[in-house]
Amino acid sequence: DVQLVESGGGLVQPGGSLRLSCVVSGFNFRSYGINWVRQAPGKGLEWASYISRGSSTIFYADSVKGRFTISRDDAKNSVYLQMNSLRADDTAVYYCARGRGAAAHPYAHWGQGILVTVSS
Amino acid sequence: DIQMTQFPSSVSASVGERVTISCRASQGVGSWLAWYQQKPEKAPQLLIYAASNLETGVPSRFTGSGSGTNFTLIINSLQPEDFGIYYCQQTNNFPPTFGQGTRLEMK
Repeated sequence: DVQLVESGGGLVQPGGSLRLSCVVSGFNFRSYGINWVRQAPGKGLEWASYISRGSSTIFYADSVKGRFTISRDDAKNSVYLQMNSLRADDTAVYYCARGRGAAAHPYAHWGQGILVTVSS
Repeated sequence: DIQMTQFPSSVSASVGERVTISCRASQGVGSWLAWYQQKPEKAPQLLIYAASNLETGVPSRFTGSGSGTNFTLIINSLQPEDFGIYYCQQTNNFPPTFGQGTRLEMK
């Protein structure tokens, strides 16, 4: 079965940093791109970032561009989201998600989500 | 960015009823439209992709249609497990954008 498991969330002060990890299993990770999608408490879904197979294509939402960095380690079946200069409006559940088939979108497979809280 | 607008924002319905949720894009997205269902404290689940294609394992009472800027999700014969929040998403352009969600509640 396809599985994605996020970790690394928690409470951080405004201006601080956090690194999220997404470990995947059940498929050939090297062949797939991965997305990060976030959801603020009580709000809707917001796509945040995408990294393609081989890291050749990377995209960010304007809301995180310049502050967040997505990367992957194929040897560890992992995708990372380095989040710097965190703000209160970055508070959200962060999901890693894989597209259906080889497509980048939409997302047929999701992790369980990890909560990031930015607060003093 | 392409703006996605869903209506209604919320709807109440009873088991066995038919429910229609609409999604409008601010510009044409072809058939690059997906629908998701989300239940409390859970990750979204993909229901429909490419506007009208049912994802594997999704019951056939879910039907998607539309193209361009106007899309519809119909749920026939509503079941208790169908209550939750529904989101549309366009994947034609970066960034992929979601609608604000439609809350489906039990009447």
